[in-house]
Parts: sequence; structure tokens; C-alpha cells
Amino acid sequence: QVQLVQSGAEVKKPGASVRVSCKASGYTFSSYGLSWVRQAPGQGLEWMGWISAYNGNTNYARKLQGRVTMTTDTSTSTAYMELRSLRSDDTAVYYCARDGSSEVDALFDYWGQGTLVTVSS
Amino acid sequence: QSALTQPRSVSGSPGQSVTISCTGTSTDVGRYNYVSWYQQHPGKAPKLIIYDVSKRPSGVPDRFSGSKSGNTASLTISGLQAEDEADYYCCSYAGIRIFGGGTKLTVL
Repeated sequence: QVQLVQSGAEVKKPGASVRVSCKASGYTFSSYGLSWVRQAPGQGLEWMGWISAYNGNTNYARKLQGRVTMTTDTSTSTAYMELRSLRSDDTAVYYCARDGSSEVDALFDYWGQGTLVTVSS
Repeated sequence: QSALTQPRSVSGSPGQSVTISCTGTSTDVGRYNYVSWYQQHPGKAPKLIIYDVSKRPSGVPDRFSGSKSGNTASLTISGLQAEDEADYYCCSYAGIRIFGGGTKLTVL
């Protein structure tokens, strides 16, 4: 069965960076893309970006460009999301979700369990 | 790009039907048939219930249906059950992916 298992909760200070991992199993990793979605406390879902596990192509949300980097390691079927220059409003649960293989899509059929990132001084 | 517009809340009694709208523009919902819907219970990850406007993943009851007209997509839940009480989000492709603000469904 398809599973996405994320790394554990993080507490960071403003200005620091965080890297969240997402290990996939149960399917051919390179045949799909992955999106990262975050949810601030009590708020809605916010799409952060997409990465192709096939060739590493990325498409980031405009408001995060310059602060976010998404990568994949096909040897371990793991995706990573790094967010830099953290601010208090980056406090959120961060989800990875399996996405379409094409950049042109909007289909998240499997989700990780979520990783709480807290930014606090 | 602005978030898609959803009603903040809807409600219905068990057995009734409810419809949740998701309004975008001609550059997202109106242009592409890549609209999906997600159900999220408190403290849980979202779950895909509709994709490509009206397709249901296996295992999702046929009480859930999706449609689109112009710039507005809709999710209809018929035969409401207590376990349908949750937050619902739409998402559309628009060069990027855009979510709606979410709708809280209350089953009375």
C-alpha cells in the first residue's frame, strides 16, 4: 500500500531553516510528483510547490520563491522540503502529498501524516 | 493568484443533500478540468474525494459527486451522514495549484 512517512516535529527560531523529509513506499517513486502543502493553526490549506520525482523539475508558489527548495532522492524514495529565513507565520503543519507526474495537474491522492513546524524565539 | 472562494460553512440534516461551491476565474476553474476536492477531519490529513472535476477515487462512496459550470465547481454530498461532518477544500490547477479557503460542514 502507498505510504508517505514524514519526519518529526521541529522547533526553530526566527531566521533559521528547517528541512522536512517524506519517505515514500508502495509505488514507483519516480513515476509521480510530490507536492508540499502547509496548514497554519486553525487555517486552511496552502500549496507550497511541486516537484517531479522523475527529473527534479519544480514549480513553487510565488510567495515562497527564494525561501523554499524541494528535492528528491530516488535512491531512497525520499522527498525533502527546506524552508529558510523562518518567520513566526511559517508555524504550521507541513504535509507532503503524492501528486500527478505532470506539472499540469491538481491531484493529491496520498498524504503524509504531517509535520508540525513551530517558529518561536 | 487569489484563493478560490468557498462558503465558510454549510449545514444539513442526516439524509439530506448539501452542495459546496468553489468559485474561481477563467484562468483556473474555468479553464482547466483539474479540480479536486478534499475532506479533512480535525487533526487528520486531508483525503481526496473527487478529482478531475467529477471522478471518484476507489473507496469513496457515490454519495459524493462533483461538477463544474463556468468558473464554479461544486461538490454535492447526498444522504448526509454524521461522519461527513468535516472541512472540505477544493483545489484547481492554474499554472500552479490553488486551494479554496475551506468549508466547514455541520451535520445537524
